[in-house]
Amino acid sequence: EPEVTQTPSHQVTQMGQEVILRCVPISNHLYFYWYRQILGQKVEFLVSFYNNEISEKSEIFDDQFSVERPDGSNFTLKIRSTKLEDSAMYFCASRDRNTYEQYFGPGTRLTVT
Amino acid sequence: AQTVTQSQPEMSVQEAETVTLSCTYDTSESNYYLFWYKQPPSRQMILVIRQEAYKQQNATENRFSVNFQKAAKSFSLKISDSQLGDTAMYFCAFMNLYNTDKLIFGTGTRLQVFP
Repeated sequence: EPEVTQTPSHQVTQMGQEVILRCVPISNHLYFYWYRQILGQKVEFLVSFYNNEISEKSEIFDDQFSVERPDGSNFTLKIRSTKLEDSAMYFCASRDRNTYEQYFGPGTRLTVT
Repeated sequence: AQTVTQSQPEMSVQEAETVTLSCTYDTSESNYYLFWYKQPPSRQMILVIRQEAYKQQNATENRFSVNFQKAAKSFSLKISDSQLGDTAMYFCAFMNLYNTDKLIFGTGTRLQVFP
């Protein structure tokens, strides 16, 4: 069964460094999302992406964040200068045009030290 | 703004028994979807069940069913014949279809299934 994949599973970085989190959505999906979950808290929406542009972004998604679909398969989230409070689990999700069901990847645990 | 409330931080149930997890939401829209996601200790988010607001019939997926009360804005999840593998966090999520497709999550209910 097709699934969303994410790499790396765990990333440790120092404050101020840039990180890129990678996702491979399900192949025939057209809508892509990033969510994050700070440990012990609820899952929060960051950004949605369709037709090579951002559809919607939350207040969390400030100028330090960017997303890109560099080729036909990958979908990336970049954080330019990480802060301690960026430590969280980051989930990628995707869906096709026919349903509103979003399928999540296994997440990347980002630890900023 | 839409909000999702899960008032039970923790629940427990014995194996083979039935448990119901509560969820309420607040919206002024009429066209929306509701979902339950399961997050086991691995922290993967797994879609359990979905309900379209325009459908009166409650959704069912094997041992999982919902009680959707649109007027009351309530969307509870019933797990029948609970299994040890059902132990997880369960998140209720709302999607307003009017001008967005982002998911708005509740704070979750931690379910422990005991042998």
